[in-house]
Amino acid sequence: AQTVTQSQPEMSVQEAETVTLSCTYDTSESDYYLFWYKQPPSRQMILVIRQEAYKQQNATENRFSVNFQKAAKSFSLKISDSQLGDAAMYFCAYRPGRDMRFGAGTRLTVKP
Amino acid sequence: SQTIHQWPATLVQPVGSPLSLECTVEGTSNPNLYWYRQAAGRGLQLLFYSVGIGQISSEVPQNLSASRPQDRQFILSSKKLLLSDSGFYLCAWSGRRAHIQYFGAGTRLSVL
Repeated sequence: AQTVTQSQPEMSVQEAETVTLSCTYDTSESDYYLFWYKQPPSRQMILVIRQEAYKQQNATENRFSVNFQKAAKSFSLKISDSQLGDAAMYFCAYRPGRDMRFGAGTRLTVKP
Repeated sequence: SQTIHQWPATLVQPVGSPLSLECTVEGTSNPNLYWYRQAAGRGLQLLFYSVGIGQISSEVPQNLSASRPQDRQFILSSKKLLLSDSGFYLCAWSGRRAHIQYFGAGTRLSVL
């Protein structure tokens, strides 16, 4: 079975500080895609960042970056200079083909 | 630009009543379409996906069904709702060769 595990149900960070959200996945595929989605209180799912498994370079989008360890099947999200608007549920997702598998999510609280 | 519309935003239905949730995509053709359910405080569970008109794949056997009568229209239905059908339903689309899924605003369904 292909599963996605987010071991941190809740995390908190001080405004302007850095936080890392963990994600591991289980797969026998060699080519796939990984994503982090953000779900604010509005419940809208918003793409934060994506990573192609065949790329060794870690993806970066402004204050968001990932640490992709393919051999360890690990895909963590680092948020730098945290802002109040970053408070949300964060979901790690894995996509080998047409469908996408999501983790259970990590609720991030940003303290002013 | 592409947009995805999902309605209604909120729905309260009695047990045993029928259900019809609609999702439409604009600005693209021949998209892959998806229905997800999110239980309270949980991740997303893929219910159905479609790669073309009349082509529906079901991930989880259940009380729900999906149909794709037009290229950019995806409908989630039930003949008789159960209490366990309550949840947050999200529609998503992706391009044929793209791996990013874009989500609608979701429908909060309460079955009483």
